[in-house]
Amino acid sequence: DVKVTQSSRYLVKRTGEKVFLECVQDMDHENMFWYRQDPGLGLRLIYFSYDVKMKEKGDIPEGYSVSREKKERFSLILESASTNQTSMYLCASTQYVQPQHFGDGTRLSIL
Amino acid sequence: QQQVKQSPQSLIVQKGGISIINCAYENTAFDYFPWYQQFPGKGPALLIAIRPDVSEKKEGRFTISFNKSAKQFSLHIMDSQPGDSATYFCAARALSGGYQKVTFGTGTKLQVIP
Repeated sequence: DVKVTQSSRYLVKRTGEKVFLECVQDMDHENMFWYRQDPGLGLRLIYFSYDVKMKEKGDIPEGYSVSREKKERFSLILESASTNQTSMYLCASTQYVQPQHFGDGTRLSIL
Repeated sequence: QQQVKQSPQSLIVQKGGISIINCAYENTAFDYFPWYQQFPGKGPALLIAIRPDVSEKKEGRFTISFNKSAKQFSLHIMDSQPGDSATYFCAARALSGGYQKVTFGTGTKLQVIP
């Protein structure tokens, strides 16, 4: 069974802080994704990576960056957190044409 | 730009009834249409999926109906149970080079009442 693990279930940070969200998958998947989930807006793609050190912008990349130094790990970085980045963040992974597998999410609050 | 439109936003169904969720898409490059089910506190999990060359797919009580010419697809949950209460997302996938990009609908919160 594929396991996608997000390091924190809940996180509270202050405006202006640099925030790191970590995601690890155990299936040697090449593709990894970061989404944010907001009520009424569904899941929106922030960034994705199709290989180590490779990254592509999704639909809402502003205010975020990512890092993929190892195949199993994909990090989302909020350079200077703002209150409008309060959300549920979901990480997913897949092997090209296979369905995406999701972690259980990190609920991030920016005060 | 919402490429996958999902309705309704919420749905209340009595136990034993049929739950129907509808989605419409615009991009003809989509090649795969999954439905995800999400319980509170959990990430979305793949429920059932269909390819555009098939008009219907059934797995147990869950059926996807697909209308390629209308660019619409729907999820039917037969004999709905309280355990089906969850948020459902339709999605559409496009492949490009060595990666996939999935566009999700806005979600339907289903409540099945006893």
